[in-house]
Amino acid sequence: QSALTQPASVSGSPGQSITISCTGTSSDVGGYDYVSWYQHHPGKAPKLIISEVRDRPSGVSNRFSGSKSGNTASLTISGLQAEDEADYYCSSYARTNTPVVFGGGTKLTVL
Amino acid sequence: QLQLQESGPGLVKPSETLSLTCTVSGGSISSSNFYWGWIRQPPGKGLEWIGSIFSSGKNTYQNPSLKSRVTISLDKSKNHFSLNLTSLTAADTAVYYCARPLGQLIGDAFDVWGQGTMVTVSS
Repeated sequence: QSALTQPASVSGSPGQSITISCTGTSSDVGGYDYVSWYQHHPGKAPKLIISEVRDRPSGVSNRFSGSKSGNTASLTISGLQAEDEADYYCSSYARTNTPVVFGGGTKLTVL
Repeated sequence: QLQLQESGPGLVKPSETLSLTCTVSGGSISSSNFYWGWIRQPPGKGLEWIGSIFSSGKNTYQNPSLKSRVTISLDKSKNHFSLNLTSLTAADTAVYYCARPLGQLIGDAFDVWGQGTMVTVSS
């Protein structure tokens, strides 16, 4: 069982917006702004798309945005495109004996 | 441009030890203060952080679920860091990635990843 909870799947049509949630505790997501999001296409390396809750690395589309409220972080993808179909993982620093934790992943299907 | 490349056996037997190496090119593993990390993904499952080692080679963190079986080391002269995982079972079958974080903290996001190497544990 993953430390952070994500929905197993989400879907949306091209052009629409979707939001993926990532729920943790005050010891991880809620306590620190070290929440990151990764896009993972099968057979490829994960790609960092959001760091520190809402920062986009250079080259990442501004269609990807991150936020946080309490113990839940969110990734929003606007203007869905076919190429966005992938698995998405959140991760957080945790002030526990496991300092790096991942969510279970969310499969995004673009209809 | 910094690049990471994992190397190691693709097939190992149960109860044996897995040894993987992550070779860093385009930069020095010891010139910057990073927690170089290992992450894995079992088939059909999510990402799991295995552990990280600081650029000095002196500080390491391991996932408690694996801690007694994991050793992470760093060789500055070869510009690589390594993962040893002992007492393998089928549950250790996974794609293993090495990665470098954005910043100097253990919680920083990983922005540079190797391509991953598939390891199968089977007799």
